[in-house]
Amino acid sequence: EVQLVQSGAEVKKPGESLQISCRTSGYSFASYWIGWVRQLPGKGLEWMGIIYPGDSDTKYSPSFQGQVTISADRSIDTTYLQWNSLKASDTAMYYCARQRSPFDIWGQGTMVTVSS
Amino acid sequence: DIVVTQSPDSLAVSLGERATINCKSSQSVLYSSNNKNYLAWFQQKLGQPPKLLIYWASTRESGVPDRFIGSGSGTDFTLTISSLQAEDVAVYYCQQYYSTPGTFGQGTKVEIK
Repeated sequence: EVQLVQSGAEVKKPGESLQISCRTSGYSFASYWIGWVRQLPGKGLEWMGIIYPGDSDTKYSPSFQGQVTISADRSIDTTYLQWNSLKASDTAMYYCARQRSPFDIWGQGTMVTVSS
Repeated sequence: DIVVTQSPDSLAVSLGERATINCKSSQSVLYSSNNKNYLAWFQQKLGQPPKLLIYWASTRESGVPDRFIGSGSGTDFTLTISSLQAEDVAVYYCQQYYSTPGTFGQGTKVEIK
């Protein structure tokens, strides 16, 4: 069974750094793009970026380029979403999803709360 | 970026009746080399991650009930729920995956009348 399991909820202060993870199982990690999607509280879905773990090719939405970093570790079939300096406006649910074309399997989501 | 716009923002339909959601992209998502429309539909129930319903504009994902019907081509698409059930209450999103970023529509909330 294909599964994407995300790390737990986080509460951080503005200016802090954060890395959340998405651990995959049940398929060849290196062979499918994995994406990250943001959902602000009570709002819609926003495509942030995708990574191909096979060669670490990464594409970002212009809205998120330079704001986050997406990476992957093939040794543990895990992808990451990282912030160097969080803002209150980063408070949201973040989902990872496998792109079979389109996103077919989703993680359960990681809630990130940024508050002073 | 391709802009994807859904209509309406919300609709209320009686149980057993038809629900229709429209999705329009700012440019064609039909890839001429394979004649496929790079358009998907997702269902998101409260407190849950999105679930893929339809891809290639009209192909139902495995396990999705046949009351969910996707249609359209080029820039104009429709998701029809032929006979609304109580468990269909959710927000529905279309998404183009023709080009990056793979933009989503703003969502359509479906409720029971």
